[in-house]
Formats: sequence, structure tokens, C-alpha cells
Amino acid sequence: NFLLTQPHSVSESPGKTVTISCTRSSGSIAGNYVQWYQQRPGSAPTTVIYEDNQRPSGVPDRFSGSIDSSSNSASLTISGLKTEDEADYYCQSYDNNKWVFGGGTKLTVL
Amino acid sequence: QVQLVESGGGVVQPGRSLRLSCAASGFTFSTHYMHWVRQAPGKGLEWVATIWYDGSNQYYADSVRGRFTVSRDNSKNTLYLQLNSLRAEDTAVYYCARVTYSNYDYWGQGTLVTVSS
Repeated sequence: NFLLTQPHSVSESPGKTVTISCTRSSGSIAGNYVQWYQQRPGSAPTTVIYEDNQRPSGVPDRFSGSIDSSSNSASLTISGLKTEDEADYYCQSYDNNKWVFGGGTKLTVL
Repeated sequence: QVQLVESGGGVVQPGRSLRLSCAASGFTFSTHYMHWVRQAPGKGLEWVATIWYDGSNQYYADSVRGRFTVSRDNSKNTLYLQLNSLRAEDTAVYYCARVTYSNYDYWGQGTLVTVSS
């Protein structure tokens, strides 16, 4: 089994850009797609990025995803931050019929 | 529109059992893999179980293998999770989620299971 490690929290000001990392402990980050979910308090998660860098319809293009094989990590970048982006963000991937979530990153927009 | 509605949560004593249900509508249930994901209070998301579209295969997290059983009834568009030998650490909101390729594209609203004496 592998782990996905995220920073516990990040904060940034409205209008700025923030990047949240997700590092895979073993196995290649490029070997299985990475998804990113946004979860607001009291609500179920929703997808903001799937298959490494694809945006579901309705997700603004301020959200983007990428992977970096050299660091074996994935990243979620949110540009033009808005107060409504304040939420928990989880990366997720899978391997060998096991599905793994990162520990989550609390994004504060202040 | 796609809807997933969980039910069956509640307060249960350690060692006892509970069965959760997830009623699906708005899509062809029998063609989708389905998962259960849980979230302990104030904690992150944890994958619990997977069942193939036809129920032929199931996979479990190490933390629940041997105690939990996932099943489905495609004639009733319903997903189930049987929780046996419950422990305090199983206390969580349990979500059912539809999987499309590698993505959890729809989630239910969750049902809370509290294991306490």
C-alpha cells in the first residue's frame, strides 16, 4: 500500500494563487490517475480535478491539476482565490484495488 | 439527475452490527462500480470498500476486512454495507459514492454511525 501526503493547511489572500501538493510514498504518481476533491463543512466532497488535470463541467478554470514524476507528486493550483474556495481539499489515487486518499489540506482564504 | 441516498446509520454498542443502505437513482446503477467511503468526526476521508458493477468482486480496506461486507441488489438499485463487530473507531459518516473510471463523481449525503456504549 502507498500513502498520499498533503500539507495539513495552507492560507493565502483573495486574488492570489495557491498550490497544494500531494506526494505518493511508493509507486509512480504517473501510474494511476489522481483526483482532487473539495469538501466544505457539513457537505459531501465534490470533484474539482479528475484524471490528473481534467476539470468537471461547472468547475472554474481557476482550478488546475498536474503531476510531477521527478518529485512523485501531484499538485492542485487555484488561481484568483475567492473566499468561497475556503474548504478542505483531498487528493486521491488507487493501485491494486486499493483506493487511497491524502490526509486533506485545509485552505484558508483571508 | 443522479441521486444517492444513504440510510441505516445510528448509535450502536461496540460488538454489535448495523446495515447501511444506499438507494441510487437517475442513472444505470448496474453499470457502475460503487464504493463506501467514511469520515470520522473531524478527520479525513477513508476508502472502505468497493464492489464491481455486477457484484462479482469486492475489495476492502485492511481496517474493516473480515468485519464489513459490501453487496448490491441491481434489481433494486441499492448498495449495502453490513457492519459487524463494530468498534469505537468505526464511528464516522459513511458515504456511498459512484465511481466512473477513477473518479468518485457522485456522493450521497452520508449517514452517521456512532459506536458507543
